Amino acid sequence: DVKVTQSSRYLVKRTGEKVFLECVQDMDHENMFWYRQDPGLGLRLIYFSYDVKMKEKGDIPEGYSVSREKKERFSLILESASTNQTSMYLCASSATGLTGANVLTFGAGSRLTVL
Amino acid sequence: AQTVTQSQPEMSVQEAETVTLSCTYDTSESDYYLFWYKQPPSRQMILVIRQEAYKQQNATENRFSVNFQKAAKSFSLKISDSQLGDAAMYFCAYETSGSRLTFGEGTQLTVNP
Repeated sequence: DVKVTQSSRYLVKRTGEKVFLECVQDMDHENMFWYRQDPGLGLRLIYFSYDVKMKEKGDIPEGYSVSREKKERFSLILESASTNQTSMYLCASSATGLTGANVLTFGAGSRLTVL
Repeated sequence: AQTVTQSQPEMSVQEAETVTLSCTYDTSESDYYLFWYKQPPSRQMILVIRQEAYKQQNATENRFSVNFQKAAKSFSLKISDSQLGDAAMYFCAYETSGSRLTFGEGTQLTVNP
Protein backbone atom coordinates (compact mmCIF):
# COMPACT_ATOMS: atom_id res chain seq x y z
CA ASP A 1 0.00 0.00 0.00
CA VAL A 2 3.08 2.24 -0.14
CA LYS A 3 2.39 5.26 -2.36
CA VAL A 4 5.57 7.35 -2.02
CA THR A 5 8.75 5.31 -1.91
CA GLN A 6 12.15 6.63 -0.97
CA SER A 7 14.90 4.32 -2.12
CA SER A 8 17.07 4.41 1.00
CA ARG A 9 16.05 4.70 4.65
CA TYR A 10 19.60 5.14 5.92
CA LEU A 11 22.73 6.33 4.13
CA VAL A 12 26.23 7.10 5.34
CA LYS A 13 28.44 9.09 2.98
CA ARG A 14 31.80 10.80 3.08
CA THR A 15 32.37 14.53 2.72
CA GLY A 16 32.70 15.43 -0.95
CA GLU A 17 30.79 12.42 -2.26
CA LYS A 18 27.95 12.84 -4.73
CA VAL A 19 24.70 11.60 -3.24
CA PHE A 20 21.47 10.64 -4.97
CA LEU A 21 18.19 10.37 -3.08
CA GLU A 22 15.43 8.81 -5.12
CA CYS A 23 11.70 9.19 -4.70
CA VAL A 24 8.94 7.44 -6.64
CA GLN A 25 5.19 7.92 -6.35
CA ASP A 26 2.49 5.75 -7.86
CA MET A 27 -0.47 8.11 -7.54
CA ASP A 28 0.04 10.03 -10.81
CA HIS A 29 0.58 13.23 -8.82
CA GLU A 30 1.75 16.34 -10.64
CA ASN A 31 3.54 17.93 -7.71
CA MET A 32 6.58 16.57 -5.92
CA PHE A 33 8.61 18.06 -3.09
CA TRP A 34 11.84 17.53 -1.18
CA TYR A 35 12.05 18.68 2.44
CA ARG A 36 14.72 18.29 5.04
CA GLN A 37 13.75 17.80 8.66
CA ASP A 38 15.98 18.93 11.52
CA PRO A 39 15.17 19.02 15.24
CA GLY A 40 13.82 22.39 16.30
CA LEU A 41 13.57 23.60 12.71
CA GLY A 42 10.68 21.54 11.44
CA LEU A 43 10.52 20.82 7.73
CA ARG A 44 12.19 23.13 5.27
CA LEU A 45 11.51 23.04 1.54
CA ILE A 46 14.55 22.37 -0.65
CA TYR A 47 13.08 22.01 -4.15
CA PHE A 48 9.77 21.20 -5.73
CA SER A 49 8.38 20.36 -9.14
CA TYR A 50 4.96 20.90 -10.70
CA ASP A 51 5.59 18.84 -13.82
CA VAL A 52 8.10 16.72 -15.65
CA LYS A 53 11.38 18.56 -16.32
CA MET A 54 10.20 21.49 -14.22
CA LYS A 55 11.81 22.50 -10.95
CA GLU A 56 11.53 25.38 -8.55
CA LYS A 57 13.78 26.43 -5.70
CA GLY A 58 12.40 26.20 -2.23
CA ASP A 59 13.65 27.98 0.86
CA ILE A 60 17.03 26.23 1.19
CA PRO A 61 18.23 25.09 -2.25
CA GLU A 62 21.93 25.81 -1.76
CA GLY A 63 24.05 22.71 -2.13
CA TYR A 64 21.27 20.69 -3.74
CA SER A 65 19.88 20.03 -7.19
CA VAL A 66 16.99 17.93 -8.46
CA SER A 67 15.92 15.97 -11.49
CA ARG A 68 12.48 15.04 -12.73
CA GLU A 69 12.71 13.14 -15.99
CA LYS A 70 9.53 11.14 -15.41
CA LYS A 71 6.31 12.16 -13.72
CA GLU A 72 6.58 9.54 -11.00
CA ARG A 73 10.23 10.09 -10.08
CA PHE A 74 11.87 13.04 -8.33
CA SER A 75 15.54 12.81 -7.40
CA LEU A 76 17.49 14.97 -4.98
CA ILE A 77 21.19 15.36 -5.68
CA LEU A 78 23.93 16.51 -3.37
CA GLU A 79 26.79 17.33 -5.74
CA SER A 80 29.41 17.38 -2.99
CA ALA A 81 28.09 16.27 0.37
CA SER A 82 29.04 18.24 3.45
CA THR A 83 28.58 17.50 7.14
CA ASN A 84 25.93 20.21 7.48
CA GLN A 85 23.77 18.22 5.10
CA THR A 86 23.41 15.45 7.65
CA SER A 87 19.65 15.32 8.10
CA MET A 88 16.38 13.50 7.49
CA TYR A 89 15.13 14.04 3.95
CA LEU A 90 11.43 13.70 3.20
CA CYS A 91 9.89 13.38 -0.22
CA ALA A 92 6.23 14.22 -0.75
CA SER A 93 3.76 14.44 -3.59
CA SER A 94 0.36 15.98 -4.19
CA ALA A 95 -2.26 16.33 -6.88
CA THR A 96 -3.23 19.64 -8.40
CA GLY A 97 -6.77 19.76 -7.10
CA LEU A 98 -9.65 22.05 -7.81
CA THR A 99 -10.16 22.74 -4.12
CA GLY A 100 -6.74 24.30 -3.75
CA ALA A 101 -5.85 22.39 -0.60
CA ASN A 102 -2.49 20.81 -1.22
CA VAL A 103 -2.60 17.60 0.81
CA LEU A 104 0.82 16.00 0.80
CA THR A 105 1.54 12.27 0.79
CA PHE A 106 4.94 11.64 2.34
CA GLY A 107 7.55 8.97 1.95
CA ALA A 108 9.11 7.24 4.94
CA GLY A 109 12.19 9.47 4.84
CA SER A 110 15.88 9.01 4.16
CA ARG A 111 18.27 9.64 7.04
CA LEU A 112 21.58 10.81 5.63
CA THR A 113 24.77 11.00 7.66
CA VAL A 114 27.77 12.74 6.12
CA LEU A 115 31.09 11.97 7.80
CA ALA B 1 7.32 35.46 3.84
CA GLN B 2 4.86 33.42 5.77
CA THR B 3 6.02 31.90 9.05
CA VAL B 4 4.53 29.23 11.27
CA THR B 5 5.39 29.00 14.96
CA GLN B 6 4.78 26.15 17.37
CA SER B 7 5.83 27.40 20.78
CA GLN B 8 5.58 24.04 22.57
CA PRO B 9 8.51 21.75 21.66
CA GLU B 10 7.11 19.02 23.92
CA MET B 11 3.75 18.22 25.47
CA SER B 12 2.45 15.31 27.49
CA VAL B 13 -1.03 14.06 28.30
CA GLN B 14 -2.56 11.23 30.27
CA GLU B 15 -4.39 8.58 28.33
CA ALA B 16 -8.09 9.47 27.91
CA GLU B 17 -7.45 13.14 28.72
CA THR B 18 -7.56 16.14 26.37
CA VAL B 19 -4.57 18.09 25.11
CA THR B 20 -4.25 21.21 22.98
CA LEU B 21 -1.29 21.95 20.73
CA SER B 22 -0.66 25.58 19.78
CA CYS B 23 0.21 27.08 16.43
CA THR B 24 0.42 30.66 15.22
CA TYR B 25 1.22 31.92 11.78
CA ASP B 26 1.94 35.15 10.02
CA THR B 27 0.47 36.08 6.66
CA SER B 28 -0.93 39.00 4.73
CA GLU B 29 -3.17 36.79 2.60
CA SER B 30 -6.89 36.42 3.22
CA ASP B 31 -7.49 33.03 1.63
CA TYR B 32 -5.31 30.07 2.54
CA TYR B 33 -5.26 26.58 4.05
CA LEU B 34 -3.93 25.31 7.34
CA PHE B 35 -2.99 21.76 8.24
CA TRP B 36 -1.94 19.56 11.10
CA TYR B 37 0.30 16.62 10.21
CA LYS B 38 1.32 13.76 12.49
CA GLN B 39 4.64 11.89 12.35
CA PRO B 40 4.59 8.74 14.51
CA PRO B 41 7.95 7.29 15.59
CA SER B 42 9.73 5.76 12.60
CA ARG B 43 6.62 6.06 10.47
CA GLN B 44 5.42 8.25 7.64
CA MET B 45 3.94 11.68 8.12
CA ILE B 46 0.17 11.71 7.68
CA LEU B 47 -2.50 14.39 7.53
CA VAL B 48 -4.57 14.82 10.67
CA ILE B 49 -6.86 17.69 9.79
CA ARG B 50 -7.12 20.74 7.52
CA GLN B 51 -8.93 24.06 7.63
CA GLU B 52 -9.89 26.48 4.88
CA ALA B 53 -9.43 30.06 6.02
CA TYR B 54 -12.66 31.24 4.41
CA LYS B 55 -14.68 28.82 6.53
CA GLN B 56 -15.56 30.13 9.96
CA GLN B 57 -16.58 26.70 11.23
CA ASN B 58 -13.77 24.81 12.92
CA ALA B 59 -12.78 21.54 11.27
CA THR B 60 -13.33 18.28 13.15
CA GLU B 61 -12.13 14.75 12.45
CA ASN B 62 -13.33 12.28 15.08
CA ARG B 63 -11.29 13.01 18.24
CA PHE B 64 -9.31 15.78 16.56
CA SER B 65 -10.61 19.33 16.25
CA VAL B 66 -9.12 22.74 15.66
CA ASN B 67 -9.69 26.16 17.15
CA PHE B 68 -9.15 28.53 14.23
CA GLN B 69 -8.93 32.19 15.17
CA LYS B 70 -8.31 34.04 11.91
CA ALA B 71 -7.91 37.51 13.35
CA ALA B 72 -5.41 36.27 15.92
CA LYS B 73 -3.71 34.05 13.30
CA SER B 74 -3.98 31.10 15.63
CA PHE B 75 -4.67 27.47 14.72
CA SER B 76 -4.58 25.08 17.67
CA LEU B 77 -5.23 21.33 17.61
CA LYS B 78 -7.30 19.66 20.29
CA ILE B 79 -7.02 15.92 20.82
CA SER B 80 -9.81 14.47 22.94
CA ASP B 81 -9.75 11.10 24.70
CA SER B 82 -6.03 10.75 23.99
CA GLN B 83 -4.80 7.30 23.05
CA LEU B 84 -1.34 5.75 23.18
CA GLY B 85 -1.31 5.76 19.38
CA ASP B 86 -1.56 9.54 19.37
CA ALA B 87 2.04 9.79 20.56
CA ALA B 88 3.92 11.45 17.73
CA MET B 89 5.52 14.64 16.46
CA TYR B 90 2.83 17.04 15.30
CA PHE B 91 3.48 19.72 12.70
CA CYS B 92 1.34 22.70 11.87
CA ALA B 93 1.54 23.87 8.26
CA TYR B 94 0.34 26.78 6.16
CA GLU B 95 -0.25 26.55 2.43
CA THR B 96 1.26 29.46 0.57
CA SER B 97 0.48 30.35 -3.00
CA GLY B 98 1.65 27.85 -5.56
CA SER B 99 0.86 24.85 -3.37
CA ARG B 100 3.91 25.33 -1.16
CA LEU B 101 3.59 24.40 2.48
CA THR B 102 5.45 26.13 5.29
CA PHE B 103 5.81 24.02 8.43
CA GLY B 104 6.25 24.88 12.07
CA GLU B 105 9.00 23.52 14.29
CA GLY B 106 6.91 20.63 15.57
CA THR B 107 5.54 19.54 18.94
CA GLN B 108 6.51 16.16 20.38
CA LEU B 109 3.46 14.67 22.11
CA THR B 110 3.86 11.97 24.75
CA VAL B 111 0.83 10.00 25.93
CA ASN B 112 1.22 8.51 29.39
CA PRO B 113 -0.72 5.33 30.29
